[in-house]
Amino acid sequence: QSALTQPPSASGSPGQSVTISCTGTSSDVGAYNYVSWYQQHPGKAPKLMIYEVTKRPSGVPDRFSGSKSGNTASLTVSGLQAEDEADYYCSSYADSYNYVFGTGTKVTVL
Amino acid sequence: EVQMVESGGGLVQPGGSLRLSCSASGFTFSNYNMDWVRQAPGKGLEWLSFISTTSSTISYADSVKGRFTISRDNAKDSLYLQMDSLRAEDTAVYYCARHYRGGVDYWGQGTLVTVSS
Repeated sequence: QSALTQPPSASGSPGQSVTISCTGTSSDVGAYNYVSWYQQHPGKAPKLMIYEVTKRPSGVPDRFSGSKSGNTASLTVSGLQAEDEADYYCSSYADSYNYVFGTGTKVTVL
Repeated sequence: EVQMVESGGGLVQPGGSLRLSCSASGFTFSNYNMDWVRQAPGKGLEWLSFISTTSSTISYADSVKGRFTISRDNAKDSLYLQMDSLRAEDTAVYYCARHYRGGVDYWGQGTLVTVSS
């Protein structure tokens, strides 16, 4: 299984929006609605931000939203805040109880 | 409060073995599928293995298939990862992870495994 493709970096000023893409194939992202997004601050464990493409766990601000079109999923962070600066990873189910993560995107708040 | 605490990491020589343990609390462990995920220093996340609630379904990433073995003991609320034939590229922080709807909703703090001579 090859890692899902994410841009290495993204940035935005406070209050702006940033969108991160996650490109897979018709065997993973395109085939299933099991795309998740994680936020990871340096030295910390990842935190689930989005699951099943668009759903937010309890406690995650509604500034975070997910979507999918074809083989590409996206995470949008609206109203950027300083604490949103972190690494973000997507993941997808990839058949036969196999899963794959994205390459990761470093989000910088300017 | 959901908690998962990994242990068993450390320094091991190439070709050696290590067994990681994950002790879970704050939830009914036997009701959840579980995963192991790792992160090499300065690198991204890599899914390694999945185990269903009754251990009836197990899967592995190609990178560890045949070398790593996942298991669980629901009576002890514990998850394990037996790692054999370790290589330098297995050096990473290993996370125990609670599976949730195709993703992971809770992560342990991780345990560092260093494979070096």
